[in-house]
Amino acid sequence: NAGVMQNPRHLVRRRGQEARLRCSPMKGHSHVYWYRQLPEEGLKFMVYLQKENIIDESGMPKERFSAEFPKEGPSILRIQQVVRGDSAAYFCASSPRGQSVSYEQYFGPGTRLTVT
Amino acid sequence: EDQVTQSPEALRLQEGESSSLNCSYTVSGLRGLFWYRQDPGKGPEFLFTLYSAGEEKEKERLKATLTKKESFLHITAPKPEDSATYLCAVGAGANNLFFGTGTRLTVIP
Repeated sequence: NAGVMQNPRHLVRRRGQEARLRCSPMKGHSHVYWYRQLPEEGLKFMVYLQKENIIDESGMPKERFSAEFPKEGPSILRIQQVVRGDSAAYFCASSPRGQSVSYEQYFGPGTRLTVT
Repeated sequence: EDQVTQSPEALRLQEGESSSLNCSYTVSGLRGLFWYRQDPGKGPEFLFTLYSAGEEKEKERLKATLTKKESFLHITAPKPEDSATYLCAVGAGANNLFFGTGTRLTVIP
């Protein structure tokens, strides 16, 4: 049973470019969460999605960041016009149900974004 | 405001030297206390979920306990392969996990 998959694992972008991060949840999971981890900081929640719906985007910056989880295909986290402060590890997690965080979330290996 | 504080920030143990990691939390409406292990360059790996004060869970050399204000991760007779960063998180209110900054454990052979 494959775990949560993320690609690319490493992404280098110049300032002003767009970054697209992909996440495929575990088989049977229909709820996806994105987190960001800055050096020496804890994981910070960004957004929670179900298929075709954004449920909670309270942790996501309002400018330049967007997320989607289409009916078919992976979840995408998009960062437009990247700046150096966007350099971080971005993790995706999935769970079988999302109405309560009493259900564990399983994490992917992350995408390490470097903005030059 | 929700808060999760982990201590110590870093811990060095000799192989076989047992110890405990602490996670104290302040949250309205706790919906689970979660422990994860994270190796360098990898995603967090789920270890335990605790739901109510007094609950305990064990897995190999690890044992997690929960009170109303804190959780402990006890490591018995650790081995070098237990070296990692251990993360504590709470599920609270919205459908997300609120993480502490972790304890970086090094076990020396």
